[in-house]
Amino acid sequence: DTEVTQTPKHLVMGMTNKKSLKCEQHMGHRAMYWYKQKAKKPPELMFVYSYEKLSINESVPSRFSPECPNSSLLNLHLHALQPEDSALYLCASSQDLGTSLARTYNEQFFGPGTRLTVL
Amino acid sequence: ILNVEQSPQSLHVQEGDSTNFTCSFPSSNFYALHWYRWETAKSPEALFVMTLNGDEKKKGRISATLNTKEGYSYLYIKGSQPEDSATYLCASPGKAGTALIFGKGTTLSVSS
Repeated sequence: DTEVTQTPKHLVMGMTNKKSLKCEQHMGHRAMYWYKQKAKKPPELMFVYSYEKLSINESVPSRFSPECPNSSLLNLHLHALQPEDSALYLCASSQDLGTSLARTYNEQFFGPGTRLTVL
Repeated sequence: ILNVEQSPQSLHVQEGDSTNFTCSFPSSNFYALHWYRWETAKSPEALFVMTLNGDEKKKGRISATLNTKEGYSYLYIKGSQPEDSATYLCASPGKAGTALIFGKGTTLSVSS
C-alpha cells in the first residue's frame, strides 16, 4: 500500500471553530510532513515529524498544532484560524533512518490534500 | 534562503512532441534534487531523487539530468501524451534534513 490518505477532502470553518485534519499511511515511513499550498504558489513546509517526535517547525503560528499519535497517523489541529489560512494542506511521508540525510535523499509520498476555507 | 527556480512557467505542446524544462538551484551546499509530477485533483507523485553530479535517471518516457556544479536539472519528456499534462515541481533542501524548497513548477498541457 503506497497510499497516503487525508481526511476530510474539503473543510469550511469559521474563525472561532476548532477542527482537525487527519493523515494516515501504512508504508512504515517514520517521517511525516505537513505542507501548506496557496493558489499559484509552491508547497511550503510547516512541520516534520521523525519517529513520532516533532523535528522541524517552520515558525508556524500556534493556531496550528500538529500531533503524531503513532507511526501511521498525523493530525493537524486548527483553532482560531484567519481567512488567510485558507489553502490546500498536504500531508506527506518518507522513509527515515533516523538521520537528517535519510530524509533528504528519500522521495516523499503525498496525500491528495485537504482544501481548507476559513470564513 | 535557498531559491529554486523553474522555467518555463507553462508549456503547451501537441501529442507526440518531445519537450524539456529546467530547474535551477544554488550549486553550493547541494544535497539532493527532487522532481514531482502533480496532476490536477491528485497527489503529487515523486518522479526522481537525484544526488550525483552528471546523474541521469529515466522512468518510461521521462528522464532527468543533473548538473550540480552549475546548479541545474533538466526534465525531458519524449513523445508527450495527454496523460503527461500536469505540473512538474522540482525541490531541493537548503541543508541536510531541512525543508524541501519547491520551485513554482512548470505546467505542461498536451493536446491530442
